Amino acid sequence: GQQLNQSPQSMFIQEGEDVSMNCTSSSIFNTWLWYKQEPGEGPVLLIALYKAGELTSNGRLTAQFGITRKDSFLNISASIPSDVGIYFCAGYDTNKLIFGTGTLLAVQP
Amino acid sequence: GAVVSQHPSRVICKSGTSVKIECRSLDFQATTMFWYRQFPKQSLMLMATSNEGSKATYEQGVEKDKFLINHASLTLSTLTVTSAHPEDSSFYICSARRTGMPQHFGDGTRLSIL
Repeated sequence: GQQLNQSPQSMFIQEGEDVSMNCTSSSIFNTWLWYKQEPGEGPVLLIALYKAGELTSNGRLTAQFGITRKDSFLNISASIPSDVGIYFCAGYDTNKLIFGTGTLLAVQP
Repeated sequence: GAVVSQHPSRVICKSGTSVKIECRSLDFQATTMFWYRQFPKQSLMLMATSNEGSKATYEQGVEKDKFLINHASLTLSTLTVTSAHPEDSSFYICSARRTGMPQHFGDGTRLSIL
């Protein structure tokens, strides 16, 4: 089946720094989603991307759908402590949502 | 606010017990509901997909007799872990989707089998 690989696996940054994380796929996706999961909770949708090349922002978050439709990135600007969590990319394989391997973000005040 | 409600949030029970987890879409009718399992420090793994009124479709390696899924209405799906054993301990997460919309997830159920 399709696999989504995220990099980096984890990031430890200082408050105020910008963050960039990447997601790549072995095959084409028509939709890319970015979720954040905090400990003991379910994933929360951050940004949805539907067209190749699309660049979408949600507050301090910006995500882009790669032109090849095999990758996407998520940027977080001016990080704050509450940005801590695991960030997952996800894409639809027919009707099934497949999750990436995740990027753990830790922000030190 | 939450659009998908999952209950209970935590279950601790003895080995051999059957456990039922409910998943409700609160303000929309879900054409499809999904059940995921997540082990510590790992990603979410899809267990099964269910459409209202029809049998669930299970992913490879997931025992359908072990994990019973009922999707009786457009707003409710249940997952029953039958005769649970310690290796079934995990974080179970449901999600719901309406056609053309992204999936929304419940807050998960932490299942611990002693």
